[in-house]
This record gives sequence, structure tokens and C-alpha cells, in this order.
Amino acid sequence: QSVLTQPPSASGTPGQRVTISCSGSSSNIRSNTVNWYQQLPGTAPKLLIYSDSRRPSGVPDRFSGSKSGTSASLAISGLQSEDEADYFCAAWDDSLNGYIFGFGTKVTVL
Amino acid sequence: QLHQSGPGLVEPSQTLSLTCAISGDSVSSKIASWTWIRQSPSRGLEWLGRTFSRSKWYTNYAVSLRSRIVINSDTSQNLFSLQLNSVTPEDTAVYYCARKPGADWGNALDIWGQGTMVTVSS
Repeated sequence: QSVLTQPPSASGTPGQRVTISCSGSSSNIRSNTVNWYQQLPGTAPKLLIYSDSRRPSGVPDRFSGSKSGTSASLAISGLQSEDEADYFCAAWDDSLNGYIFGFGTKVTVL
Repeated sequence: QLHQSGPGLVEPSQTLSLTCAISGDSVSSKIASWTWIRQSPSRGLEWLGRTFSRSKWYTNYAVSLRSRIVINSDTSQNLFSLQLNSVTPEDTAVYYCARKPGADWGNALDIWGQGTMVTVSS
């Protein structure tokens, strides 16, 4: 079972700001950087945020990441219909000596 | 680009085998790592393990699978592979290969294969 806890769902209307939380522990989020992935139905996850807050080339600046202590957050500002997807946080866990994922948050655009 | 190959159906107690062909990079890269992940409704996204080349070849495996998993590399064909032994229906999942590009990216996985749905059933 995942040791990164995310809310199962989040929603907003177009243009709104949506925030997704990811709660971990000292062996993962506090000690290592957090990454965020977006997964559209039927496709592989896509890297959205790496090293807590950095965006790969091509990812809109509407997506931003932050981290404090044992928690991290992904914010989507100016929500768009194409943002409707599953979002996963991930980090290396020093105790498990492995990479762990949250169970995902489904974002719905109302 | 990563392109996966392998059967979509494996019988219980048999070995699941998948390959991931790399284009645009090298499995022998001294900065990248090559990873297998699976995804199922009950377990979510699960990291299985990785292989990488530095002064020698290294592998890391998920603790829960350490007795059943082997990840290898083939430098002549520029690919890496997954073998999972003694499979059960609980190993039914979509399997992905992915690249961890290097230290500047932390442990992020920036390129993923297309995914292979593997069903364990007789």
C-alpha cells in the first residue's frame, strides 16, 4: 500500500484554481524531492513536476508544485477542460529503498 | 522513446517477460536509469525496480518482489528487460518501462513506454 496520501478526488470550474495535497513522512517527502505525474485515460503517466517545483519543457506554467516538511502540493491555476485527468505524487523512500507513488487524485472539471 | 514488447497473457506459476527497446538514448548511459513500473486498480502505481550502468551494472528491486524479479540489460540491442517469476493473478496489471534521466531530475521518470496490459490467467 502507498505511503503517500492523496485525496481521491478534486474538482473545479474552468478558470478556477485547484490544489492537490500529498502527505508523506520523513523517509520520503522530507528527505527527497517530489514529482508529480498526470495520467489521461488509457495513456501512460506524463511527468508534470520534478524536484518539487520544476516543470519539464512543454508543461504549461499553470501547473506548479511546492513542498513543506512531509507534505507537497500541486496547484493547477486557470483550470481547463483538458486538465481532467488523474494526478499522482511520487518520491523516493529511504526506508523502503524504492520509489513510491500516491494512489492518485482524479480531477474533474465541472 | 521507449517501446515495450511482450505477451499480454501469462499462465499462473509461469514467468512474465517484457522488453523495453530504447531509441534516442543508451541503456549504457552513465547518468540515466531504466525502470519498470506496474499499475493495477487495487495497487495503484507500483515501482518494480531499475537497472543502471556506472562503474558497473547495478540493480535495485522493490522489497516485496525481490525473490521473483530480474531486470537485465542488453547493450547489443539497446534494451532492458523484466522477468517476474511464479506469477499469480495478483500480478495482473499494466506494465510500463520508464527512464530516470539523471541527477538533475532527482528520481523523476521523464519518458515512459506505451504500457503492456498483462493478464495472469489459465
